[in-house]
Amino acid sequence: GQQLNQSPQSMFIQEGEDVSMNCTSSSIFNTWLWYKQEPGEGPVLLIALYKAGELTSNGRLTAQFGITRKDSFLNISASIPSDVGIYFCAGRGSGSARQLTFGSGTQLTVLP
Amino acid sequence: DGGITQSPKYLFRKEGQNVTLSCEQNLNHDAMYWYRQDPGQGLRLIYYSQIVNDFQKGDIAEGYSVSREKKESFPLTVTSAQKNPTAFYLCASSIGGGADQPQHFGDGTRLSIL
Repeated sequence: GQQLNQSPQSMFIQEGEDVSMNCTSSSIFNTWLWYKQEPGEGPVLLIALYKAGELTSNGRLTAQFGITRKDSFLNISASIPSDVGIYFCAGRGSGSARQLTFGSGTQLTVLP
Repeated sequence: DGGITQSPKYLFRKEGQNVTLSCEQNLNHDAMYWYRQDPGQGLRLIYYSQIVNDFQKGDIAEGYSVSREKKESFPLTVTSAQKNPTAFYLCASSIGGGADQPQHFGDGTRLSIL
């Protein structure tokens, strides 16, 4: 099956710093999605990417769909305490691999 | 407000019991999904349904069953055959099953074994 490698597994940063995390896959994806999950809640969609090379922003968040279609990154600028949570990437292939595959998540902690 | 409602929030099961987790959506979405989340891991797909009265196994369907008798409802039964059921269960829905239609999630049910 498809596999996603998400890194880093966890991050501790100071408030105000920028953050970057990424996902790489063993196969080509047609869609990349980035979600944020807070404790005891379901993931919330942050950004959706549908075209290779696409760069999309949502406030302080920016995500890119890699040109090779096998990777994506998420940047958070000027982090604030409410950015704390687990960030997941998810990708979708084609044909029989159309269902979403999730990365294992990046746990982000923002220190005041 | 439109959304996905999962109930109960917390559920306890005795050994050998079947339990059913509820998922209801009022978004008029055709597709619905069940995922299992274990600590430090990504979400793994249990079952999905793209239309009423039809559903497909995901990557870890063994020990689980579902039904899709109504568009808005997709209950998941964790059977006694599931030997390690303790986990956080997430239900999701999307307009359709297409690549350009992202999934939206409920707030989950945490299942524990007594």
